Amino acid sequence: GAGVSQTPSNKVTEKGKYVELRCDPISGHTALYWYRQSLGQGPEFLIYFQGTGAADDSGLPNDRFFAVRPEGSVSTLKIQRTERGDSAVYLCASSLGVAGAQYFGPGTRLTVL
Amino acid sequence: KNEVEQSPQNLTAQEGEFITINCSYSVGISALHWLQQHPGGGIVSLFMLSSGKKKHGRLIATINIQEKHSSLHITASHPRDSAVYICAVRYSGGGADGLTFGKGTHLIIQP
Repeated sequence: GAGVSQTPSNKVTEKGKYVELRCDPISGHTALYWYRQSLGQGPEFLIYFQGTGAADDSGLPNDRFFAVRPEGSVSTLKIQRTERGDSAVYLCASSLGVAGAQYFGPGTRLTVL
Repeated sequence: KNEVEQSPQNLTAQEGEFITINCSYSVGISALHWLQQHPGGGIVSLFMLSSGKKKHGRLIATINIQEKHSSLHITASHPRDSAVYICAVRYSGGGADGLTFGKGTHLIIQP
């Protein structure tokens, strides 16, 4: 595809459930980022992958959040035992390298009831 | 705490006006990004710069590394420029590898 894609575009779940959010980066982009944007706020950094490895996961709020990128392309953000405070738009971005311009996906709007 | 401050938070102007949005940050950076987000829409990267000035169409971005300050200018503004403009930086010298974002400037251009 031409850009970063994310699925699903919307996800509604109940408190305590497990969710997976998927990101397909631009082909050839080695760097992949996950951000979270709460209503009325700017995005906040969650985790950064360089290739298959999580180079920096300092933004993950707690151990309920986990992300993988097993083949260095598609990434999945996993949230266990969801809480209402997890409701936000989860954004994915990719870049050619860590110093390159980041291209953002459309986001996944997660609502935890 | 490393912060990115934007001003103004909200800006309403008439079509055709020259627009300036400001961004300041607290410590050294390797790059600064200006991003645009339309209501309900995704984020689009406008500029990435580490020094000097860049221009694309009616948009101009400048950065002063010594003063830790950047500005985004829009010339001959148009209602379709209405959006949230976000400044984001990548800090140098360690810390999180992702971007640190400002809270955004809500711009409305009235016809």
